[in-house]
Amino acid sequence: EDQVTQSPEALRLQEGESSSLNCSYTVSGLRGLFWYRQDPGKGPEFLFTLYSAGEEKEKERLKATLTKKESFLHITAPKPEDSATYLCAVQDLTTGNQFYFGTGTSLTVIP
Amino acid sequence: NAGVTQTPKFQVLKTGQSMTLQCAQDMNHEYMSWYRQDPGMGLRLIHYSVGAGITDQGEVPNGYNVSRSTTEDFPLRLLSAAPSQTSVYFCASRPRRRTNEKLFFGSGTQLSVL
Repeated sequence: EDQVTQSPEALRLQEGESSSLNCSYTVSGLRGLFWYRQDPGKGPEFLFTLYSAGEEKEKERLKATLTKKESFLHITAPKPEDSATYLCAVQDLTTGNQFYFGTGTSLTVIP
Repeated sequence: NAGVTQTPKFQVLKTGQSMTLQCAQDMNHEYMSWYRQDPGMGLRLIHYSVGAGITDQGEVPNGYNVSRSTTEDFPLRLLSAAPSQTSVYFCASRPRRRTNEKLFFGSGTQLSVL
């Protein structure tokens, strides 16, 4: 059974304090791993797609990496506007029309 | 482009009432889907469609109906609302031809069933 587990559930950082969010997954075959950002009262907004182990992608202060069992979202020198819930989702090769989401990490960056 | 538009934003129902959540997209996406988001649980797929006239069940389809008569619209129907259907509902779409393409989400409908 496909599973996605995100940790920690919540994270509070001082502005400028770098950290990482974890997404561990179990799928029979990975078609893609997706990171989304969700602000309160809004729908998830796409950040990155990773397809194979060793792949990395960057956008401003965010960097996503992928291994065969997990993905990390590294946040470098975060700012208060980075505060949001970050969601991880995987797409299985055998059930390509379904995405399996984790419960998210709620990030708060304190000025 | 408006992207994915959901209406209403908020809705309160009594147990047993029926209603339709609307979803429309203007990106000519073949694939459309409905998710529900509950505290402590990840987004869960209710139903999806890969094109007009084609629908299929997701992980939690019971109590919900869908139909897809046009590429643009994918309404979700609650036939007899139950308190267990209190949730935030998101519609999402993507192009079909690339199955690993990212999902585009609407802004959600917050539904309370009393």
